[in-house]
This record gives sequence, structure tokens and C-alpha cells, in this order.
Amino acid sequence: QLHLQESGPGLVKPSETLSLTCAVSGGAVSSSSYYWNWVRQSPGKGLEWLGSVYSSGDTYYNPSFKSRLTLSIDTSNNQVSLDLNSVTAADTAVYFCASAPWVWLLYYFDSWGQGLLVTVSS
Amino acid sequence: QSPLTQPASVSGSPGQSITISCTGTGSDVGAYNYVSWYRHHPGEAPELIIHDVTKRPSGISDRFSGSKSGNTASLTISGLEAEDEADYHCCSYAGGSSFVFGTGTKVTVL
Repeated sequence: QLHLQESGPGLVKPSETLSLTCAVSGGAVSSSSYYWNWVRQSPGKGLEWLGSVYSSGDTYYNPSFKSRLTLSIDTSNNQVSLDLNSVTAADTAVYFCASAPWVWLLYYFDSWGQGLLVTVSS
Repeated sequence: QSPLTQPASVSGSPGQSITISCTGTGSDVGAYNYVSWYRHHPGEAPELIIHDVTKRPSGISDRFSGSKSGNTASLTISGLEAEDEADYHCCSYAGGSSFVFGTGTKVTVL
């Protein structure tokens, strides 16, 4: 059973870069059994898929964030990272990392972190 | 990608059944049988309760069931219990390794 834990600054200034990490335990981020995802929830809204990163290095991004978002895997620390640049107040949200089974024709998120509230404000 | 449409809130008394709808388009819900549902108690990690429209992960109560017709998927909770009070989110595969979530539904147990 995977355990995921998000960490990072709770406050980021407008125009700066939001950087978060997701520590994974119970499995290796380099495994070919899973791929890794970031999802966020803005205040009063539903969940929003940001993107996915595979241990192969492949990444897939929500088109709405593609120009500002970078997802990566750090195998030495067994964690997944998110960088979102040029943030505005609209990026204030709870950010979740989630795993998904890397299996042909399986499309769901089976383990989630508790989430981290990030506020964008000067 | 536009979010899938869910009712903002649904309520029911203990023991009753409720159904939450999730309406998308022919490019997501209507195109794939890859709708999943998540239960989320705020402050906790969301939990997968249904995948592939109708399938329940191990350990999930059979009080939860899913279905789909055309561009609309549905989650039914039967025998409503106090612990079911939470936010519920649907999600659909949208092709090209992308996903789209719903607007979320707050379930209240009266």
C-alpha cells in the first residue's frame, strides 16, 4: 500500500514559482507499476487534474497548465516534484499527489496524499 | 477541457439511497468506460470508491454502485450512513493520457 505525502511552502508570492514535492513510501517512484499525478482543488471548486509523470520520463499536462508546469521524478529521494511558475492568486489551492496503476487500459487514481494548501499572496 | 457537471449538493436520511450524476461530453464520459469516483472527507486523502464505471476496489462497501448512460455517469449510495457525509468527485479519462474531474458534490446525511 502506497503512502504519499506532499510538502512545500504554504505561501508563495505572485509571479514566483510554486515548488512542491511528494514523498512516496511503500513503493518506488522508479517502478513500472505506477505513474504519478498532481491534482488540485481551488477554494469552493472541484478537483482539477494538473498532469502525470512516468518513471520513463514521459509527462502529460493539462493543456491549461502546459506552459507553466513541470513535473519530474527524483529517484534518489523517492519523490515526485511539481513546479508551477508565474503563479497568481488563481493558483491558490490544495495540491494533491496521487498514484495511478501503470497498466494498459486502467485509468484511475488509487492512492492519494492528504493534500497541501498553498496560498498565493504578497 | 471543461469540468464534468455534478450537482453541488445531495442529501438523504440514514438508510435512504441517493444518486449523484456526472455529465460530460462525447469526448470524455461518453467516449470511454473509464469513469471513476472518489470520496473525500476534507482534510483527508481522497479515496477511490468506483473505477471503470462500475467496479469497486477491494474493501469498498457494496452500498456504492456506479453506472453510465451516454454522456452521464452516476454514483448511487444505498443504505446511507453518517460516514457517507463527504464530498464526492467523478473523473473521466479524456484521451491522450489526460483526465477531467467533475465539479464535486457535497453529500449531507440528514
